[in-house]
Amino acid sequence: SQQGEEDPQALSIQEGENATMNCSYKTSINNLQWYRQNSGRGLVHLILIRSNEREKHSGRLRVTLDTSKKSSSLLITASRAADTASYFCAQQGGSEKLVFGKGTKLTVNP
Amino acid sequence: AAGVIQSPRHLIKEKRETATLKCYPIPRHDTVYWYQQGPGQDPQFLISFYEKMQSDKGSIPDRFSAQQFSDYHSELNMSSLELGDSALYFCASSVPYNEQFFGPGTRLTVL
Repeated sequence: SQQGEEDPQALSIQEGENATMNCSYKTSINNLQWYRQNSGRGLVHLILIRSNEREKHSGRLRVTLDTSKKSSSLLITASRAADTASYFCAQQGGSEKLVFGKGTKLTVNP
Repeated sequence: AAGVIQSPRHLIKEKRETATLKCYPIPRHDTVYWYQQGPGQDPQFLISFYEKMQSDKGSIPDRFSAQQFSDYHSELNMSSLELGDSALYFCASSVPYNEQFFGPGTRLTVL
């Protein structure tokens, strides 16, 4: 299976703290994309990082990629209650389809 | 900015019935993807189309078929529905090897 792993599966923090989610994958990638999903709702695209990039920022989000370890991490700084959601990484390799990880369920307590 | 449009948003069907889901991609996006997300699961790729031709196929049952039309909208046809087909069905669109933007999904419930 090409599917990677995400950890932790669940994360509970206080508002204002930082949240770090990790993603590992198995095959070579063209890019890796991070998504947020509120319960039962749509997938919101957060960041795309290409295989030749090491780090990317977007607002309070920071994504890193280590292709030698086949891993990526998503850091959300100064978290807010509205950040409560499930976060998925999705790898895109030679085929354009996305292969999603299992996701991390983040709860930010006010 | 225009987003991916999916219809219907909710659909309730009986076992063995058929269902048709529609997807309207973001303008100028030439690739459309379909994904299925079961309860508590991650999205699973079903099928994709590039310039109206099937470009890739995932774990899509033979009971399902899809196509992309000349105006780039796509339809997912599901026949002989089973209870296990109850899921969220997402359509996404993109320019090749760029961000895939997802629609709001169609929640299919099979009774």
